[in-house]
Amino acid sequence: DAGVIQSPRHEVTEMGQEVTLRCKPISGHDYLFWYRQTMMRGLELLIYFNNNVPIDDSGMPEDRFSAKMPNASFSTLKIQPSEPRDSAVYFCASSSGSRSEQYFGPGTRLTVT
Amino acid sequence: AQSVTQPDIHITVSEGASLELRCNYSYGATPYLFWYVQSPGQGLQLLLKYFSGDTLVQGIKGFEAEFKRSQSSFNLRKPSVHWSDAAEYFCAFNDYKLSFGAGTTVTVRA
Repeated sequence: DAGVIQSPRHEVTEMGQEVTLRCKPISGHDYLFWYRQTMMRGLELLIYFNNNVPIDDSGMPEDRFSAKMPNASFSTLKIQPSEPRDSAVYFCASSSGSRSEQYFGPGTRLTVT
Repeated sequence: AQSVTQPDIHITVSEGASLELRCNYSYGATPYLFWYVQSPGQGLQLLLKYFSGDTLVQGIKGFEAEFKRSQSSFNLRKPSVHWSDAAEYFCAFNDYKLSFGAGTTVTVRA
């Protein structure tokens, strides 16, 4: 298996623009997680899905953030409009159970200028 | 509240020396515990996990961890460190959501 795939690996955008991050989980995994990593706050869980259904989005910072999972092999995290404080590394992870180990993608480094 | 704590922010160790990274958890029942490693610019890689059973867990890259309920700890060890072990290490706790410690950065000196 190729592991969790994320695209793009790097994204530089201007404040106010829409940003879409993409994730393909490991085939057969029924849980998908989105995390954000910053120096100040460490690793934060933003949202997670089970069988394509959002279960807990309490970590999503604002209404500017939204996530979807239209099918078992694809998820997006969208920021609209983006702000400089959204600059971070965003990770997607997947697992085969709610308490199983999670496998992380390589991350998307987002820079908002 | 359930949580995991990594008391050491940064550790420097000589190549070939032993390494121990501390992790303490706060949870009422038997926790699901993990150690992950993150090399610079990379994602997180799972080193090992503990769910139940044998309290000494073997992982990849020569790492092991010991679950000690009496001390609420899950410390990570490696007998002999290689320069490639320089990275950030995260202890994590899974109570249906994975919560990470703040991480310990390991520097390996020649």
